[in-house]
Amino acid sequence: GAGVSQTPSNKVTEKGKYVELRCDPISGHTALYWYRQSLGQGPEFLIYFQGTGAADDSGLPNDRFFAVRPEGSVSTLKIQRTERGDSAVYLCASSPEGGRAPDTQYFGPGTRLTVL
Amino acid sequence: SQQGEEDPQALSIQEGENATMNCSYKTSINNLQWYRQNSGRGLVHLILIRSNEREKHSGRLRVTLDTSKKSSSLLITASRAADTASYFCATDEGQLTFGSGTQLTVLP
Repeated sequence: GAGVSQTPSNKVTEKGKYVELRCDPISGHTALYWYRQSLGQGPEFLIYFQGTGAADDSGLPNDRFFAVRPEGSVSTLKIQRTERGDSAVYLCASSPEGGRAPDTQYFGPGTRLTVL
Repeated sequence: SQQGEEDPQALSIQEGENATMNCSYKTSINNLQWYRQNSGRGLVHLILIRSNEREKHSGRLRVTLDTSKKSSSLLITASRAADTASYFCATDEGQLTFGSGTQLTVLP
């Protein structure tokens, strides 16, 4: 595809439910990043994949959050037992360079998660 | 935690004027990046400046970096209504660490 895509664009769920957010990176990009952006704030790092493995998951807030990238392309961010405080825009980015802070990341449009 | 902090939080100018946004950070960096985010969209990379550079240009954008003051500025010259967006600085503190952004409004 031409850019990073994320689905769904919007997700409304109830407190306590499980959600999955999907990211399709730019083809050939080996590195993939997840961020969370609260209203009026900049993105906050969650996790970074190099290939299939999570190279740095230090930004995941707690064990309710988990992400996978089984084939080194598409990634899924999974949130268990959602809480109202999880409401935010979840952004995905990819990069051909790799590393925790590459020179350029290409961002998707995000998934807006609302937990009622 | 957020490393960079932008100033001002919001800026409103007339089309054709210049817009200056500032970013301060706390720790040593290898580089600093600026991103733009249109409402409801993802971020778009604008420009990167390395710690050994003092100034960089890209089209109507000019970025400066003062590592002694741990600050950077983004200047947009001859602004256009289409420049209306949020602008974020990001530093390479471990992961890419973003500030809270400046909301720029360019009035036609």
